[in-house]
Order: sequence, then structure tokens, then C-alpha cells
Amino acid sequence: AQSVTQLGSHVSVSEGALVLLRCNYSSSVPPYLFWYVQYPNQGLQLLLKYTSAATLVKGINGFEAEFKKSETSFHLTKPSAHMSDAAEYFCAVSFSSNTGKLIFGQGTTLQVKP
Amino acid sequence: DVKVTQSSRYLVKRTGEKVFLECVQDMDHENMFWYRQDPGLGLRLIYFSYDVKMKEKGDIPEGYSVSREKKERFSLILESASTNQTSMYLCASSRSTEEAGAQYFGPGTRLTVL
Repeated sequence: AQSVTQLGSHVSVSEGALVLLRCNYSSSVPPYLFWYVQYPNQGLQLLLKYTSAATLVKGINGFEAEFKKSETSFHLTKPSAHMSDAAEYFCAVSFSSNTGKLIFGQGTTLQVKP
Repeated sequence: DVKVTQSSRYLVKRTGEKVFLECVQDMDHENMFWYRQDPGLGLRLIYFSYDVKMKEKGDIPEGYSVSREKKERFSLILESASTNQTSMYLCASSRSTEEAGAQYFGPGTRLTVL
């Protein structure tokens, strides 16, 4: 079955440190890949998407992610964490180009310490 | 900007009540989705619709039904609310294109069933 796994339900970094949030998917077919962010008491917001163009994708707020087919991974990174990055992050995959039906990971809560 | 609105931010209902959750999007999107979000489980798809009057079951449709009479409006119905349906409900919409996985979310409705 197709699935998405986010390693680590909670990640804590210091302000200014590298952010690395891990996402792996299981599928024999490369999917469309997405990262979403959810700030407290809000809906989800699209951070970035991979849809078979460049393997390194840049998103909003300084985040980027790299699609590695050999590792079936799509890890999210940011060189320097800011206090405002504290939120829950979701990795999602889609195998249907038109309906956009998404399979979400369990989510990773990012804590940024001053 | 795409705007997805949900009829209530917070809702408290009694067991056995019929509950309607409304979602409206203003960007002429073909696809609309209903998810529930529970801690540790991420988002799970309840139903989605790719056109007016068209619907498909998601991963957890039991106990729910949907209605899409107009393109901009997608309603989720709990026929007889139960305590295990206490959750955050998120509505989303997207275009029916290669980027259909790039979904726009509403702010969510936190439903409590007593």
C-alpha cells in the first residue's frame, strides 16, 4: 500500500540552526510530493510542491526540499530556523494528477528555542 | 487569493444529532475535499468531489455523507453524531490539473460531540 512516513513527531532546534524534517514514501511510481505547514488554530498552507520538474524545490519562507528517487525521500530543510517557523509540518503525496487525492504523513511538530 | 471558508470554527453537538458542516470556495475549483485531523494520525480523507454532484469515498467515509449541489459549496453531513466523531474537520479545494495536489484549506471546524 502507498504510504507516507515522517520520522520524528517532534523536532526541536535552536533559533538560527538548521531545520531538517524527514519524509519518506513507499511507492514504485514516483508521486507528486508536497509539504504543508499548519500554524496554531489555522488550516494547512502549502509550503512547496514537487511535480516532476527540478528535484530541488524552493518554497515559501526560505524552505526547500529535495526529491531523491533512489531513497524515496522528500526531506524539508531550512538553513536557519526562525521563531516564527514553530508549527506542525505535514508531508503529503498524490498519485493522481487530476483529483489530487493526497495521502498525508502523521505530521512533525517543530519547536524553535530562543 | 483563494479563499476557503467553513461555516463554524467551533461546534458542540449531542450524540445522535444530525450535523452539517459547510465549506465554500471562491476560486472556481473543480475538486473539493473533507478531512478529519486527529493528533498522531495526521489528516485522513473522508470524501472528495471532483465535480458538481460527483463524490468519491475517501479512507474513512463510515458515518459521513456529503453533498455538492453547486461548484463552490461542499457539505459534510454526520447523519447521527457519535462521540468518536469529535475531531477537527478541514475542508480543501484544488484545480483539476496536474497541480491538483496543491490544495487550499479552510481554517477548520473543531467539532465536539457530547
